[in-house]
Amino acid sequence: EAGVTQSPTHLIKTRGQQATLRCSPISGHTSVYWYQQALGLGLQFLLWYDEGEERNRGNFPPRFSGRQFPNYSSELNVNALELEDSALYLCASSLVVGGNTEAFFGQGTRLTVV
Amino acid sequence: GEDVEQSLFLSVREGDSSVINCTYTDSSSTYLYWYKQEPGAGLQLLTYIFSNMDMKQDQRLTVLLNKKDKHLSLRIADTQTGDSAIYFCAENAFYNQGGKLIFGQGTELSVKP
Repeated sequence: EAGVTQSPTHLIKTRGQQATLRCSPISGHTSVYWYQQALGLGLQFLLWYDEGEERNRGNFPPRFSGRQFPNYSSELNVNALELEDSALYLCASSLVVGGNTEAFFGQGTRLTVV
Repeated sequence: GEDVEQSLFLSVREGDSSVINCTYTDSSSTYLYWYKQEPGAGLQLLTYIFSNMDMKQDQRLTVLLNKKDKHLSLRIADTQTGDSAIYFCAENAFYNQGGKLIFGQGTELSVKP
């Protein structure tokens, strides 16, 4: 069974541009999460989507946005890129059963802003 | 508040046991998780424990939970060089936080032959 897949694996953008990152969850999983892993800042929660709705959002500016499609795949959009947006962006998927968020992660998209 | 703390580095010899420690602050946490991250890779879910348990064993991995002290540990028996990686603990206080996982800073495990 395929795991969580993310594309692209690497992305280089110029400051001020927009980036779009994509995630396909494990088949049957309805929840998708996005995390940012920046050097020195650890893993920071960005967004949680479930059944097409945004359920929770981390402490990030509105230029970080996303959506979940009817097939449960998801996009993360980052507008007006800044140098400090350079990071590994990780997507995870899960079924939420009785409070257990057993999340499985993809390999990540390495975003570099120059 | 939400805070998960881990020591940053651990070095062991091949064949020894490794113990990675973690403390958390959210007393409403229901599930606690251990993840492994190898260089340049995503996070691999190793195991999890429900807050009403105090121990869980899965092959070479043993998780101990002291809910009173909000302390979680991961013991890796017979540590191998392939276990060298960064290990993250994470908590999920689902009924306060939804699906959000709060991660520690990660412990870098170095296994020397």
